Amino acid sequence: EPEVTQTPSHQVTQMGQEVILRCVPISNHLYFYWYRQILGQKVEFLVSFYNNEISEKSEIFDDQFSVERPDGSNFTLKIRSTKLEDSAMYFCASSEGGGRVGNIQYFGAGTRLSVL
Amino acid sequence: AQKITQTQPGMFVQEKEAVTLDCTYDTSDPSYGLFWYKQPSSGEMIFLIYQGSYDQQNATEGRYSLNFQKARKSANLVISASQLGDSAMYFCAMREGRGGGNKLTFGTGTQLKVEL
Repeated sequence: EPEVTQTPSHQVTQMGQEVILRCVPISNHLYFYWYRQILGQKVEFLVSFYNNEISEKSEIFDDQFSVERPDGSNFTLKIRSTKLEDSAMYFCASSEGGGRVGNIQYFGAGTRLSVL
Repeated sequence: AQKITQTQPGMFVQEKEAVTLDCTYDTSDPSYGLFWYKQPSSGEMIFLIYQGSYDQQNATEGRYSLNFQKARKSANLVISASQLGDSAMYFCAMREGRGGGNKLTFGTGTQLKVEL
């Protein structure tokens, strides 16, 4: 069964360092998303991406964040200068788009980011 | 006002019994979708079931069913014949609008514990 793949599963970084979280969405999906979940809290939307550009972003997604689809399969989230409060689980998701089934977003297993 | 409300922080159920996890939502958009995801202790987000606002029948997926009461704006998840492996956090989420790439808004989750 196709799945969304995220790497690494756990990333530890020093405050102020740049990190890149990687995702391989399901191959025929057109819409890509990043969400984050701070430990013990609910899942929060960061950004959605379609046709090589950002569709929507939340107020969390400030200038420190960027997304990119560098090739036909990968989708990345970059945090330019990490802060302690960026420590969270980051989920990538994808959906086909269009139609009933196309609305379903499938999530990867997440990358746990720990900023020290 | 919260868009998704899950009022049960924790629930217990006996193995083989049915359990209902509550979810109410708030939107003025006539087109929306409601989702349930399962998050085991390992952290991944697993899609369970989807209900569209225009769907005439309640959604079912195996042991999962969604009790959709549109007038009451509720979308409760019913798990029949609970198994030990159902112990997890369960999140209700909503997508507003028809767009294929619209974000999901999540509730705070319900921690379900299945007991022998």
